[in-house]
Amino acid sequence: EVQLVESGGDLVQPGGSLRLACAASGFTFKHYGMHWVRQAPGKGLEWVSYITSDSGTIYDADSVRGRFTIFRDNARNTLYLQMNSLRDEDTAVYYCARDEGGRSSEGTFDHWGQGTPVTVSS
Amino acid sequence: DVVMTQSPLSLPVTLGQPASISCRSSQSLVYSDGHTYLSWFQQRPGQSPRRLIYKVSNRDSGVPDRFSGSGSGTDFTLKISRVEAEDVGIYYCMQGTHWPLTFGGGTKVEIK
Repeated sequence: EVQLVESGGDLVQPGGSLRLACAASGFTFKHYGMHWVRQAPGKGLEWVSYITSDSGTIYDADSVRGRFTIFRDNARNTLYLQMNSLRDEDTAVYYCARDEGGRSSEGTFDHWGQGTPVTVSS
Repeated sequence: DVVMTQSPLSLPVTLGQPASISCRSSQSLVYSDGHTYLSWFQQRPGQSPRRLIYKVSNRDSGVPDRFSGSGSGTDFTLKISRVEAEDVGIYYCMQGTHWPLTFGGGTKVEIK
């Protein structure tokens, strides 16, 4: 069974940093691209970042480019999101999601984690 | 960015009756490989999203056959043939053809 378990969400002050992790199991992690998607309180879904299976290609949303970095450790079956210079508007539940493609995206997510909440507030 | 517009925002439905959600994109979702990367997700209250449909009309494993997707180009539809209580939630369309990936604003399905 595919499982994605996010962790690392917390309350952080504006301007602060946080690193999220997504532990994958039940499939061969190194064969799949991965995404981060977020959902602000009471709002819809927003795609954040994508990384291919071999880390060869990365895409980021304009809203996080230059502040957030997606990376992965295939030996540890873990996806990460390093979040710097956090703003109030980054407050959201952050989900990791599996792409059906490997070294190129299939443009969809077939499995999602349960999410980890990030609150940016002073 | 490709703008995805869903309607209606809210959809009250009687149990056993059909429901239909529209999703329109600001540009064609046909990719150079000929595929159209349009997916539908369901988010039940308090849960993570779950994919129902991919590439316009392909139903995911375990998804009841009362759910169906159709459309082409820029106009897409999700239909529920007979709404059941467990279908309550918010439904999102998403395009995966163009970067950045973008979602529709969501349609809340509730029981009358």
